[in-house]
Amino acid sequence: QVQLQQSGPGLVKPSQTLSLTCAISGDSVSINRGTWHWIRQSPSRGLEWLGRTYYKSKWYNEYAVSVKSRITINPDTSKNQFSLQLNSVTPEDTAVYYCASGTSGYSLFDYWGQGTLVTVSS
Amino acid sequence: DIVMTQSPDSLAVSLGERATINCKSSQSVLYSSDNKNYLAWYQQKPGQPPELLIYWASTRESGVPDRFSGSGSGTDFTLTISSLQAEDVAIYYCQHYYSTPWTFGQGTKVELK
Repeated sequence: QVQLQQSGPGLVKPSQTLSLTCAISGDSVSINRGTWHWIRQSPSRGLEWLGRTYYKSKWYNEYAVSVKSRITINPDTSKNQFSLQLNSVTPEDTAVYYCASGTSGYSLFDYWGQGTLVTVSS
Repeated sequence: DIVMTQSPDSLAVSLGERATINCKSSQSVLYSSDNKNYLAWYQQKPGQPPELLIYWASTRESGVPDRFSGSGSGTDFTLTISSLQAEDVAIYYCQHYYSTPWTFGQGTKVELK
């Protein structure tokens, strides 16, 4: 049974960087069949996939076009976790952020973190 | 991007009655090389993350009650709850995993009549 535990601040000032971490238990971030994702949810955008990281002999990242210039997802094998950084945030980035896994190797999301409400406000 | 459109936006169903939710994709999510539909359904209750119910359009995730079933192929899909229980009150989302970016429908809210 995979469990994902999110951590990070719930309030970020405009123009600053949103940073969240997702700790994994019950699986390994570097397992070949796993994909590790960040998804956000807001009333205006609904559920929006932001990006993923995965390992298949080397590390890969893929990002949504809407945030590609501002996003970084990094694995941390020493802590078995992965992180999200979103730069230059605006109030439109206010949302509940989820980490999620695709442990089958396909990008259907079989495990989710608990969610973190991030508010962008001064 | 593949656009996922669900209908209706909401529906009210009596306990024990059938609930039917539709999902249409803007292009086919049937992958010809393996003849699989890259379509999943999720259930989300207030204050909780979405939970995977069905994948490959019709395969129930482990532990999901058999009153939930998925059908369809290509661009048109259906989630059916055969006999609605009180604990099924939630918002339901479809999602394709055919190609990036993976996108979700806008959600269908199921309530008790």
